[in-house]
Amino acid sequence: KNQVEQSPQSLIILEGKNCTLQCNYTVSPFSNLRWYKQDTGRGPVSLTIMTFSENTKSNGRYTATLDADTKQSSLHITASQLSDSASYICVVSNTGFQKLVFGTGTRLLVSP
Amino acid sequence: EPEVTQTPSHQVTQMGQEVILRCVPISNHLYFYWYRQILGQKVEFLVSFYNNEISEKSEIFDDQFSVERPDGSNFTLKIRSTKLEDSAMYFCARALTGDTDTQYFGPGTRLTVL
Repeated sequence: KNQVEQSPQSLIILEGKNCTLQCNYTVSPFSNLRWYKQDTGRGPVSLTIMTFSENTKSNGRYTATLDADTKQSSLHITASQLSDSASYICVVSNTGFQKLVFGTGTRLLVSP
Repeated sequence: EPEVTQTPSHQVTQMGQEVILRCVPISNHLYFYWYRQILGQKVEFLVSFYNNEISEKSEIFDDQFSVERPDGSNFTLKIRSTKLEDSAMYFCARALTGDTDTQYFGPGTRLTVL
């Protein structure tokens, strides 16, 4: 069964600190992996998209990595800001399909 | 980032009633999707729509659901006879191209079934 698991479920960090969120997936065949940020009560906003051949991709203070062999991805947030408080969702797409399989998300709280 | 709008922002309905959720299109976006997110749970795929046809749907998208984009106007999700368990946030997403393109999500419609 196609699944996406994320850890930790929730995380609290101090403003200015770095953090890393993890994603493991069993989706097959794999097309691409996306990280989304979702503020409470809002729609997800895309941070990065990585295909099979990409190992890392950055978007400002966000850096995503992908290991297609181990089916793992991480999202590293540098110098966290209060506005980073949100849920971060790992989403994996099947090859040839448009269906996205969503993880349960990591709820991040950045504390002053 | 392209703006995606949905109406209404919040819909309250009685069980058994029909509801129509709307997504305002961007002219050059060809791929449309509906997702739902029950409170506290993960986002779930409902259906994808391309060239005025459903291209894929999930097991959640049963006979009580339908989608259409009549005459290039709003992209709609209709729930024919709502149930209590249909209460959720419903997100529309659009993409310029298909699989490897970013899907832009709308702010969602919060559906409450009483």
